[in-house]
Amino acid sequence: QVHLFQSGAEVKKPGASVKVSCKASGYTFTTYYLHWVRQAPGQGLEWMGIVNPVGSTTTYAQRFQGRVTMTSDTSTTTVYMELSSLRFEDTAVYYCARGGGIAALSDAFDIWGQGTVVTVSS
Amino acid sequence: DIVLTQSPDSLAVSLGERATINCKSSQSLLYSSKNKNYLAWYQQKPGQPPKLLIYWASTRESGVPDRFSGSGSGTDFTLTISSLQAEDVAVYYCQQYYYTPRTFGQGTKVEIK
Repeated sequence: QVHLFQSGAEVKKPGASVKVSCKASGYTFTTYYLHWVRQAPGQGLEWMGIVNPVGSTTTYAQRFQGRVTMTSDTSTTTVYMELSSLRFEDTAVYYCARGGGIAALSDAFDIWGQGTVVTVSS
Repeated sequence: DIVLTQSPDSLAVSLGERATINCKSSQSLLYSSKNKNYLAWYQQKPGQPPKLLIYWASTRESGVPDRFSGSGSGTDFTLTISSLQAEDVAVYYCQQYYYTPRTFGQGTKVEIK
């Protein structure tokens, strides 16, 4: 069964960094890309970036450039998203999602993690 | 960035009736050489991650009930729920995956009348 399992909730102070993990199982890790999407409370979905597990090549949304780092570890089939210089407005649920790659039927996001709540509070 | 505008923002439909959600893109999502529209629809229930319903604008994801259908091409797309069920109460999002950054519509909330 294909599954993306994310790390637990985090509470951080402004200016700190947070690192969220997403462990993939049930499929060949290197044949699909993984994305990060966030959702602020009561708001819509915002794409943050994509990581190709082969070589950890990445593309980030411009608004997060310089603050976000996405990496992958093929030995543990895990991808990571680190967001630095946290602000109150970074409070959101962060999702990883599978989408695209050589084995994908399309680039749509067919599998999602359960979400990780990140709260930025002083 | 590609802007996706959904309409309406919310709608209330009686059980068993049809629900229609529109999504308009600021640029064409049709890849002519493949004749495919790079648009997907998702359903999100409270406290849950989004769920893929439709990709390539009209291809139903495995396991999705056939009351859900997608149509459209180029810049104008529609998600139709042919006979609304109680379990369809959710927010629905369209998304384009042609361009980077990937972008989503603002969402349409579907409720029971």
